[in-house]
Amino acid sequence: DSGVTQTPKHLITATGQRVTLRCSPRSGDLSVYWYQQSLDQGLQFLIQYYNGEERAKGNILERFSAQQFPDLHSELNLSSLELGDSALYFCASSVDLGVTDTQYFGPGTRLTVL
Amino acid sequence: AQSVTQLDSHVSVSEGTPVLLRCNYSSSYSPSLFWYVQHPNKGLQLLLKYTSAATLVKGINGFEAEFKKSETSFHLTKPSAHMSDAAEYFCVVSGNTGNQFYFGTGTSLTVIP
Repeated sequence: DSGVTQTPKHLITATGQRVTLRCSPRSGDLSVYWYQQSLDQGLQFLIQYYNGEERAKGNILERFSAQQFPDLHSELNLSSLELGDSALYFCASSVDLGVTDTQYFGPGTRLTVL
Repeated sequence: AQSVTQLDSHVSVSEGTPVLLRCNYSSSYSPSLFWYVQHPNKGLQLLLKYTSAATLVKGINGFEAEFKKSETSFHLTKPSAHMSDAAEYFCVVSGNTGNQFYFGTGTSLTVIP
């Protein structure tokens, strides 16, 4: 158990809908990262927050957004969902921003768009 | 730009024999490199990381990796495979600001009894 929690574990929804994925980092970790894992794209970095502020963006679509709250939990919002958004979404956390900081991954949320 | 190439998408070994999972990286600076393991329906777990200290890095569960700058490689090895090692393995390089991770496409390890 990494100490990172993600809810829900599974989510099934329809095209065009909007969903929110939630992540609670390990106690004491200030950075939260979001990743998407799909069969055709592999594991891709989406976005990172540090202590409430956005710090880095990866291959995140404009239909997707995220935020980190004062209690350091984070939410990833996915809107106007398409079939291709079906994937496993991981959250990870680390203590700080350093290049050597280990990222601890949550168990993921499996999103299925029908 | 940073990138990682995992040279084998699938590796199959017999239980008790050595494991070699190959990873080459491309980076314009001195990178940090990581190996993560993902068991079925689980999140990713860190096996080991290289952070410009010792080039031979020892990790959990008997795994180790050697950073070879001249070959731009960071291969993962284990002397003796165990059934519980069957999983997907990812080689990862960090971005130069430390804010991004770049994942390889993964190597699926099968251990034959």
